[in-house]
Amino acid sequence: EAGVVQSPRYKIIEKKQPVAFWCNPISGHNTLYWYRQNLGQGPELLIRYENEEAVDDSQLPKDRFSAERLKGVDSTLKIQPAELGDSAVYLCASSLRGESEAFFGQGTRLTVV
Amino acid sequence: GNSVTQMEGPVTLSEEAFLTINCTYTATGYPSLFWYVQYPGEGLQLLLKATKADDKGSNKGFEATYRKETTSFHLEKGSVQVSDSAVYFCALHNTNAGKSTFGDGTTLTVKP
Repeated sequence: EAGVVQSPRYKIIEKKQPVAFWCNPISGHNTLYWYRQNLGQGPELLIRYENEEAVDDSQLPKDRFSAERLKGVDSTLKIQPAELGDSAVYLCASSLRGESEAFFGQGTRLTVV
Repeated sequence: GNSVTQMEGPVTLSEEAFLTINCTYTATGYPSLFWYVQYPGEGLQLLLKATKADDKGSNKGFEATYRKETTSFHLEKGSVQVSDSAVYFCALHNTNAGKSTFGDGTTLTVKP
């Protein structure tokens, strides 16, 4: 069974440019998470979806970040415009509804120059 | 709020040495506790978990026991291998909130 798939693996952009990350969760997993992992730190939750509904986006900087999960499967996280401080690894994870164990993708390493 | 504090690294050991990585937490309610491992260039992988007090999680020779009285979930392995070199993250999952809180990670390097 395929795991959580993210693309791209790496992205380098200039500040003020837009960028988007894509995630395909494990088939059948209702819950999808986007985390941001700064260098030397643990992941921090940005947004959590239950199917297509964003049930926790309290940590998402809504002035520049947006996310969607159309049809409750794939998800896209967008940053517009990007700032230098957005450089980080963006991790997607999924789980079955109500389960505590999450499965992570390999992440997208974003570098803003 | 919820928080996880784990031993600062980096930790460098010789092969076959004993490993302990300390982890303590603060949480409301009764969270599940996890250790994740992140190998270079890869995402986080679940290493082991425990869902209630006094449970012991184990996998690949690693163990951790959920200690409610000391709010701890220390990771141990009796004999580490070079292939265990990675970053280890302690985490808790609050079922009511539906989200996990991670520690900052501990980098382990095992030398032959």
